[in-house]
Amino acid sequence: TQLLEQSPQFLSIQEGENLTVYCNSSSVFSSLQWYRQEPGEGPVLLVTVVTGGEVKKLKRLTFQFGDARKDSSLHITAAQPGDTGLYLCAGIYGGSQGNLIFGKGTKLSVKP
Amino acid sequence: DTGVSQDPRHKITKRGQNVTFRCDPISEHNRLYWYRQTLGQGPEFLTYFQNEAQLEKSRLLSDRFSAERPKGSFSTLEIQRTEQGDSAMYLCASSLGVQTEAFFGQGTRLTVV
Repeated sequence: TQLLEQSPQFLSIQEGENLTVYCNSSSVFSSLQWYRQEPGEGPVLLVTVVTGGEVKKLKRLTFQFGDARKDSSLHITAAQPGDTGLYLCAGIYGGSQGNLIFGKGTKLSVKP
Repeated sequence: DTGVSQDPRHKITKRGQNVTFRCDPISEHNRLYWYRQTLGQGPEFLTYFQNEAQLEKSRLLSDRFSAERPKGSFSTLEIQRTEQGDSAMYLCASSLGVQTEAFFGQGTRLTVV
């Protein structure tokens, strides 16, 4: 059983569309991080959220941490081909000894 | 400092051979992590160090896997008697402490033939 469930697993959209990616768990996380990974490269940190209900914006990307700190979402406005990649959520929870536990990721393809 | 550095970027080895990967973390970071990522999956935690102490190694995939961080700086991950199932991307990350942001290297892609 995956501790962090990400959905959808795959997403293919046209340039200019909006999208939302979800990250859900039954565990409470003390912090949650979103990464973007391109093929053959390591994950690149986008944002960290730590407070329930927290919303952070990074240009066209909006990240939200659920009130109960069990879920998070990533919303991209007016997606561009450069947004293509694997989006990973990763969290630290009570049983992880400070180590990040990852979801399987959402593979996003934005077509021009 | 240019971030977390991993070497080599790619490694092709024959089944049964030993391989060693190196990770140089961000210089002031005292935590160092190793992850493995297979195709279509998120990174899977293997082990971590706090300075030179290896505080968790039960997640290492088998006794063929071992990691060291002799002086609390760079780390090595060794796989002995490689198997085809070991083919994966091996990722290293570092952080300043517990529950702080982790930064990843570019990974080492291992192919066992």
